[in-house]
Parts: sequence; structure tokens; C-alpha cells
Amino acid sequence: ERVMTQSPATLSVSPGERATLSCRASHSISNKLAWYQQKPGQAPRLLIYGASTRATGIPARFSGGGSGTEYTLTISSLQSEDFAIYYCQQYDNWPYTFGQGTKLEIK
Amino acid sequence: QVQLVQSGPEVKKPGASVKVSCKASGYSFIDHYIHWVRQAPGQGLEWMGWIDPDTGRTHYAQTFQGRVTMTRDTSVSTLHMQLSSLRSGDTALYYCARGFCADGRCYAWFDPWGQGTPVTVSS
Repeated sequence: ERVMTQSPATLSVSPGERATLSCRASHSISNKLAWYQQKPGQAPRLLIYGASTRATGIPARFSGGGSGTEYTLTISSLQSEDFAIYYCQQYDNWPYTFGQGTKLEIK
Repeated sequence: QVQLVQSGPEVKKPGASVKVSCKASGYSFIDHYIHWVRQAPGQGLEWMGWIDPDTGRTHYAQTFQGRVTMTRDTSVSTLHMQLSSLRSGDTALYYCARGFCADGRCYAWFDPWGQGTPVTVSS
């Protein structure tokens, strides 16, 4: 099983600043990585797939990068609506697995 | 627009079974796999398995093997997930989510998601 580890668990950032979230896989996942945003009481929303491709309708301030076992999600200028929990997920191998999440909170 | 609408909340006793439904609309039902993911209260996301709505073929995560059954009804574009031998640890929000298939290949990024079905297991 591919274990996904996200860091940090909580990230405190001021609106307008840049946030970088990390996701590490226990084995190489060949860029088969997705990022999701989840707000309280809502289902997750797809942000990024293929490690770096933005999903339809996702603002350009969200960008994904990385390769092999190390991946990042960067939000270039935080808006109030971006404060949420972010999950990474690998789809390289069964069982598909998620990271434990990074909570992005207002500083 | 592409939409997945799930059935309502369920309360079950330990040892019982639950069946959650997910109605798809806004796209060709047989073109993309449907996955099921659950989220225990205050916890992260756990993938349970997928079903190919075209053939009915399934693949389940080992954690749920023997307890989960995923089916589909193509006549009404609806998927079902049944989980049996329920225990308190199965209390969670259960989501259906669409994968993506194109050019003969399928990928398991999930978009969109259903709204979630709360399942409570309590005596």
C-alpha cells in the first residue's frame, strides 16, 4: 500500500500570502497524484490531477508540482475562501490512498 | 451539469447491513467508473472500491473484502453500495465519486463527488 504523508498538519497563513503544502508518497507514484479541497459540511472538491493539471474551473492561483515521491500544492495569494482542509491522493496503485490532510487556517 | 445525488441518512444496529444509492446525471452513465469513499467523523478519507457501470465489474479495497457489494442499475443511472456486518467503526459519511475514463484508460481522480450519506451504527 502506498502511504501518503502530508505536512504540515496545520498551516497558518495570512490572506494575500503564499501557502505551500507538501505530500510525500512511500513509493514513487509517477505523478498519479490529485489534490482536493474540503470545507466544513461539504464534499471534497478536485483541484489538481496528474500532479500539476488544474481541474475545470479551478483558479490559476492553485498550482501543483513535484515528481517521484514528493509533491506540492501552492496557493499563490490566499483568498478568504481558500481556508479549508487539503488532501492529496495517489491513484498509481490499489488501494488508492489519501494523505491525512493539511488544515489551512487564517493567521 | 454532471451531478451525483445520494440517498438520505441511515441509522443501523451493529450486525445489520446498509445500502447507499448514488444517482448520476449530466453525462453518459456507462463512460466513467464510480468510486466509493468514506470519511469517519473528524477523520480523513478512505477509498472503498470502484464499479464499472458499463460491465458491472468491481474492485474492492482489501479492508472491505467480503463485506461490501457495489452494484448498478443502468435503467435509472444509479449505483448502490451495500456494506454488511456493520460495526460502530463503520459510522461515517459515505461518498460516491466519479473517476475519469478516456481512450480506453481509466484514472482514479474523483470529480465530482456526491453530497455524502451519513451512516450511523449504534445499538
